[in-house]
Amino acid sequence: QVHLQESGPGLVKASETLSLTCTVSGTSITSDYWSWLRQPPGKGLEWVGHIYYTGRTNFNPSLKSRVVALVDTSKNQFSLKLTSVTAADTAVYYCARESPTRGFDHWGQGILVTVSS
Amino acid sequence: IVLTQSPGTLSLSPGERATLSCRASQSVSSNYLAWYQQKPGQAPRLLIYGASSRATDIPDRFSGGGSGTDFTLIISRLETEDSSVFYCQQYGSSPYTFGQGTKLEIK
Repeated sequence: QVHLQESGPGLVKASETLSLTCTVSGTSITSDYWSWLRQPPGKGLEWVGHIYYTGRTNFNPSLKSRVVALVDTSKNQFSLKLTSVTAADTAVYYCARESPTRGFDHWGQGILVTVSS
Repeated sequence: IVLTQSPGTLSLSPGERATLSCRASQSVSSNYLAWYQQKPGQAPRLLIYGASSRATDIPDRFSGGGSGTDFTLIISRLETEDSSVFYCQQYGSSPYTFGQGTKLEIK
């Protein structure tokens, strides 16, 4: 079965770069799109952006200037970098498989990233 | 596209039926509207996609409907385990957006 697992630091200092990796198992990353989403504590969900295995990306305009996404097909992984973080970037970050016709059908468990001042 | 869900909170008893609404600020392309269930401390789970298709392993107590700008999630024969927050989400146009959520409480 499809499984996604986020990894990375749980604490990042303000103005620095948040870096996360999602490891995919049970399916090849060379299909569908792979997304990052986030959820501030006690709040709703926000789509950050997605990447295709070719490296093609699309990001939420609200974050586009600060986001970089990469894919490593040899490791079946994709990653997210968010620069110049502030307290407003504190959230649980999820990676998910994005089907063009079914939405987000598989999610990682999520990782809480706290931005400290 | 802004999605507005109502009500904000719904309190019902086991066995009753819940009706959740999601209204879009403009028509959702191809009715690419999904519903997710999220329990505390867990990732969201896909329930419905394409406005009315149930995802894998989702019981038929969950049904979705609607088109264009108005969508509905109906949960029949409520069970205590249905206590969750439910989100609608459109994936017809970028940026993909979510509603603010409806909290369902089972008394």
